[in-house]
Amino acid sequence: AQSVTQLDSHVSVSEGTPVLLRCNYSSSYSPSLFWYVQHPNKGLQLLLKYTSAATLVKGINGFEAEFKKSETSFHLTKPSAHMSDAAEYFCVVSDGTGGFKTIFGAGTRLFVKA
Amino acid sequence: GAGVSQSPSNKVTEKGKDVELRCDPISGHTALYWYRQSLGQGLEFLIYFQGNSAPDKSGLPSDRFSAERTGGSVSTLTIQRTQQEDSAVYLCASSPRPPGDQRETQYFGPGTRLLVL
Repeated sequence: AQSVTQLDSHVSVSEGTPVLLRCNYSSSYSPSLFWYVQHPNKGLQLLLKYTSAATLVKGINGFEAEFKKSETSFHLTKPSAHMSDAAEYFCVVSDGTGGFKTIFGAGTRLFVKA
Repeated sequence: GAGVSQSPSNKVTEKGKDVELRCDPISGHTALYWYRQSLGQGLEFLIYFQGNSAPDKSGLPSDRFSAERTGGSVSTLTIQRTQQEDSAVYLCASSPRPPGDQRETQYFGPGTRLLVL
């Protein structure tokens, strides 16, 4: 069975400081992992995805995530937060073999202070 | 190019009425997904189509929910006898790859905001 846990419901950072959004997953198979961002009143936008290639994945807007199988983690980071990064972020795991299931985390709301 | 579109963007209905939500996927995308995002909740997977076929309907919350896809393109999510707990944003996504493909990426529409009074 698959599951995904976003460890923080809210994260608050100051502009220019690093961002860390934490995600842990469990999967019986080799999973595909994604981070999506949702700005207020907007649809979901793909930030980045991991599909068993490089463990460090670079995405849009300066975000990156590292797949750590030993820790079953896929944390999202950015070296320097910008005001426009304020949004909700979803970690997603998808079963890559056999039956299909996509599981979304509960989301982490990122606040960026000036 | 054109992305996933959904209509209506907003729908207000009375309890007990039926509603139809429409999704137009990106042209050529074979896979189509429906999700629900309730207030304060994460995203809940409802159903997916590969072509016109929906192999797994277990994510639908109740038998009042149904979905179909015709011509491998447009999909309709129907909610019969709506209840207040059906109020949510209903999101549609499409993908050029079949579900389970390691290269799969889903592209989301803007959603339909449903309010049941």
